[in-house]
Amino acid sequence: KAGVTQTPRYLIKTRGQQVTLSCSPISGHRSVSWYQQTPGQGLQFLFEYFSETQRNKGNFPGRFSGRQFSNSRSEMNVSTLELGDSALYLCASNSGASSAYEQYFGPGTRLTVT
Amino acid sequence: ILNVEQSPQSLHVQEGDSTNFTCSFPSSNFYALHWYRWETAKSPEALFVMTLNGDEKKKGRISATLNTKEGYSYLYIKGSQPEDSATYLCAFAPGFQKLVFGTGTRLLVSP
Repeated sequence: KAGVTQTPRYLIKTRGQQVTLSCSPISGHRSVSWYQQTPGQGLQFLFEYFSETQRNKGNFPGRFSGRQFSNSRSEMNVSTLELGDSALYLCASNSGASSAYEQYFGPGTRLTVT
Repeated sequence: ILNVEQSPQSLHVQEGDSTNFTCSFPSSNFYALHWYRWETAKSPEALFVMTLNGDEKKKGRISATLNTKEGYSYLYIKGSQPEDSATYLCAFAPGFQKLVFGTGTRLLVSP
């Protein structure tokens, strides 16, 4: 069974630009969550999608948005990039409909904003 | 704002030592507690998911316990090996669909 994949793995953008990150969950998984990790911080929850619906959103500004497609693939978009958006972005999928199921993480996208 | 605290922040032990870490979380609205191992240059990998007070889980030399009434979970590693070197994350689920992660305990095991 293929794992969670994320593209691209590395990205360099300049302030003010926008970026789209992609996540393909494990086949059959309908829940996809996105997390941001910055130095010294734990994984910060961005949002979670289940069957194309956003079910939960973390405390991030509206510049961060996402969506999920009918094949469960998910994209995350960040508009008007700021230096503080430089981080590792992880997506995770799980097989169930609730947080009692273990998350399977992708390798992450390392975003650098200059 | 939900706070999940892990201690210690980092730990350096010798091969063969046994060690344990603590995860503290709010005792109200408990739904689940996860433990993950995150090795350098890899993805976080699930160790345990616990949902009931008093749960004890074991995988090889690693085990975990859960106390939802007082809001803590312990992770134990018996006879640490260099390959156990990683960051150990706990995540608290206050509800059906969300996980709140702690900042992790970084473990280094020297041969």
